[in-house]
Amino acid sequence: GQQLNQSPQSMFIQEGEDVSMNCTSSSIFNTWLWYKQDPGEGPVLLIALYKAGELTSNGRLTAQFGITRKDSFLNISASIPSDVGIYFCAGQPPNFGNEKLTFGTGTRLTIIP
Amino acid sequence: GAVVSQHPSWVICKSGTSVKIECRSLDFQATTMFWYRQFPKQSLMLMATSNEGSKATYEQGVEKDKFLINHASLTLSTLTVTSAHPEDSSFYICSAGITDTQYFGPGTRLTVL
Repeated sequence: GQQLNQSPQSMFIQEGEDVSMNCTSSSIFNTWLWYKQDPGEGPVLLIALYKAGELTSNGRLTAQFGITRKDSFLNISASIPSDVGIYFCAGQPPNFGNEKLTFGTGTRLTIIP
Repeated sequence: GAVVSQHPSWVICKSGTSVKIECRSLDFQATTMFWYRQFPKQSLMLMATSNEGSKATYEQGVEKDKFLINHASLTLSTLTVTSAHPEDSSFYICSAGITDTQYFGPGTRLTVL
């Protein structure tokens, strides 16, 4: 199936650093969602974006819905050990009644002690 | 709110046997649920859309006779992997939606010997 281009694939940072990752698509989306997945668990919703240009925060996390509706980014400020995991973006196309999500390839975040 | 559960969390079976995985929305009703498969270090791939009271819609390349889906009520969908083989070993995750947001279950790890 289709996947979104998500970058970077992996990040190795020190605790306290800020993190930035993004997703791009060749087609537009009506909704952008950001999830975090820990090993052996299902994805947990972090932030949901519903309007082009929307900027939403959830604690140390900030995400934006690109104005072209073809991209989104997620920032994490002042990273802590529990931020370790895999982050996925997901987009929902603008087809009426179609709730299917297209997932990004994931960004694996590792914090170096 | 928006809690989705899966049972079992892990299962080991012999080749040729069938395995049933349950997905429940605990605090909301879902007319549509989704089933994903995730191989190690890969993103989530949508297998099928489960519709309450009607047949599931399968993604291209997913065998509907092998992966049987039943959406018996607004809070329960089941995925049965029939005649499982080692290549079916994977992490199976379901999700259920509220408006434009999907919430995921914790996943089921299937290992076929």
